[in-house]
Amino acid sequence: DTAVSQTPKYLVTQMGNDKSIKCEQNLGHDTMYWYKQDSKKFLKIMFSYNNKELIINETVPNRFSPKSPDKAHLNLHINSLELGDSAVYFCASSQEAFAYTDTQYFGPGTRLTVL
Amino acid sequence: KQEVTQIPAALSVPEGENLVLNCSFTDSAIYNLQWFRQDPGKGLTSLLLIQSSQREQTSGRLNASLDKSSGRSTLYIAASQPGDSATYLCAVDFGNEKLTFGTGTRLTIIP
Repeated sequence: DTAVSQTPKYLVTQMGNDKSIKCEQNLGHDTMYWYKQDSKKFLKIMFSYNNKELIINETVPNRFSPKSPDKAHLNLHINSLELGDSAVYFCASSQEAFAYTDTQYFGPGTRLTVL
Repeated sequence: KQEVTQIPAALSVPEGENLVLNCSFTDSAIYNLQWFRQDPGKGLTSLLLIQSSQREQTSGRLNASLDKSSGRSTLYIAASQPGDSATYLCAVDFGNEKLTFGTGTRLTIIP
């Protein structure tokens, strides 16, 4: 069984559109994250949620809005897509929010291309 | 500014050789350091996590060390295999509720 899954795997869309990426984890973890990996492969955190509550918002534009309907799901909605949003977006989860011994488990990524 | 650096960006090694990947960080007051592996088109897989109080962790052919005072960590891979080819990422928890990643070292094992 897949531990952290994301849909879709690939997303190609026009500038100005609104799109969503979904993430689900079946590990029973309390904390979920969204990361962005740019064209230079630099991975940077965007958001983290613990038990459905936002705990990190890393100066991400307001066009990005995460939503956590329950602690097993963390979706990412992006409004008015821009060329610079093209990247690979990774979802991850961990049992606790950055405990000393905690390991993060990553999804396979969603490659977003904005034309 | 808290930063994580990995040099070199790419490394090619003949199969069977032992190798060392390097990671340096700017702030010695870390909570933990993790090494991840990323295969092309895939997500990250956690390899080893070293807590602040530890000096090394081992898993199979992998050994990660941590020297907080010098701001360095190394990932040692013994008897390299073609299946070890991937990008290896170092990530540090500086205690600010997020992981700061290096840009990775792309490792190629030559059969």
